[in-house]
Amino acid sequence: EVQLVESGGGLVKPGGSLRLSCAASGFSFSSHDMTWVRQVPGQGLEWVASIDDSAYYIYYADSVKGRFTISRDNAKSSLSLEMSSLRADDTAIYYCARVSRQQGADCFDFWGQGNLVTVSS
Amino acid sequence: IHLTQSPSSLSASVGDTITITCRASQGIRNYLAWYQQKPGKAPKLLIYAVSALQGGVPSRFSGSGSGTEFTLTINSLQPEDFATYYCQQLNSYPITFGQGTRLEIK
Repeated sequence: EVQLVESGGGLVKPGGSLRLSCAASGFSFSSHDMTWVRQVPGQGLEWVASIDDSAYYIYYADSVKGRFTISRDNAKSSLSLEMSSLRADDTAIYYCARVSRQQGADCFDFWGQGNLVTVSS
Repeated sequence: IHLTQSPSSLSASVGDTITITCRASQGIRNYLAWYQQKPGKAPKLLIYAVSALQGGVPSRFSGSGSGTEFTLTINSLQPEDFATYYCQQLNSYPITFGQGTRLEIK
């Protein structure tokens, strides 16, 4: 069974840093690109960052570029999101998700349960 | 690439058939997916590559479209289908989502 379990969220002050982790199991982690998506409670979904299976290609949303760093450890089946210079508008539920390519098109086929990050003084 | 979903909200009854439209600001080939999200839960993949049904998703869900206009249709609505639905384009970065369509019970 595919499982993605996020950890590391919580309350942080503006300007502070936080590291989110996503522990993967039930599939060949090193064979899949991975991604982070966030959602302000009650609002829509926003893609944050993606990393390919070998960590060679990495992409960020403009809203987090230069402040967030996505990384992975294939030996530990773990995905991370290092967040710095946090702002109030980074407050959201953060989901990690697995990327799969099916019929030649990518999709986010499994999602973690979500982890709330609150940026407030 | 901007995605515009319509309607933003929709009221329907059990047994109804509904259609949600997703329009892209430019062509996205077949890189279009649909997700369902229930309150307090993570999104769930319903459809990928415009029209392919994800495993375990009931056949009353279907997707169609091409180029810049796509639709999600739910036939014979069931009580568990009342949720928020999002389209997503994965044709190019930044990956984007539609603003969501909230499907409510009439």
